[in-house]
Amino acid sequence: DTGVSQDPRHKITKRGQNVTFRCDPISEHNRLYWYRQTLGQGPEFLTYFQNEAQLEKSRLLSDRFSAERPKGSFSTLEIQRTEQGDSAMYLCASSHQETQYFGPGTRLLVL
Amino acid sequence: QKEVEQNSGPLSVPEGAIASLNCTYSDRVSQSFFWYRQYSGKSPELIMSIYSNGDKEDGRFTAQLNKASQYVSLLIRDSQPSDSATYLCAVNMGGGADGLTFGKGTHLIIQP
Repeated sequence: DTGVSQDPRHKITKRGQNVTFRCDPISEHNRLYWYRQTLGQGPEFLTYFQNEAQLEKSRLLSDRFSAERPKGSFSTLEIQRTEQGDSAMYLCASSHQETQYFGPGTRLLVL
Repeated sequence: QKEVEQNSGPLSVPEGAIASLNCTYSDRVSQSFFWYRQYSGKSPELIMSIYSNGDKEDGRFTAQLNKASQYVSLLIRDSQPSDSATYLCAVNMGGGADGLTFGKGTHLIIQP
């Protein structure tokens, strides 16, 4: 049973650049979530997919953020025109029912 | 605003003792409650889930839920140095929302 995987694990970018992260959920899980975590804080919910449908988006998800899950399997999270405040750990989680299992995260640093 | 509150700590407990971690939440309709452990630089790892009032035990861990008081706790018996981590309380606030609301976490230190 492979867990949730995320790629890349680390990303350094310059302010204003676009970045894209990928998440591969546990194979039988139809629900996929994105969270953002900054130092000293708990994860903050960003968005949620059930299969390919994006069912919920947080107010935290500004217009510069977009997420897709085109075939109901892997998902991508894109941040356009990155800002220094976007520096954080981006976590993906998947679930079959209630319990969410997290991937290792992508640590983003915006210079 | 829907919130989950935890004491950030650090909470220092001697090895072999019981560590008690507490969490309160603001949304009375919340239905699902989770404890995650997070080591520094790593992602959250599920410890326990609890959905009904009362206690739920899994090995050295016991989760306790009191919906009337909007309170959930985690007890760790026979604490080990490897239990030193940040413990995150997470709540599914309900109302159709499926994203979890997390507290800031309690930093637990087990002293050998």
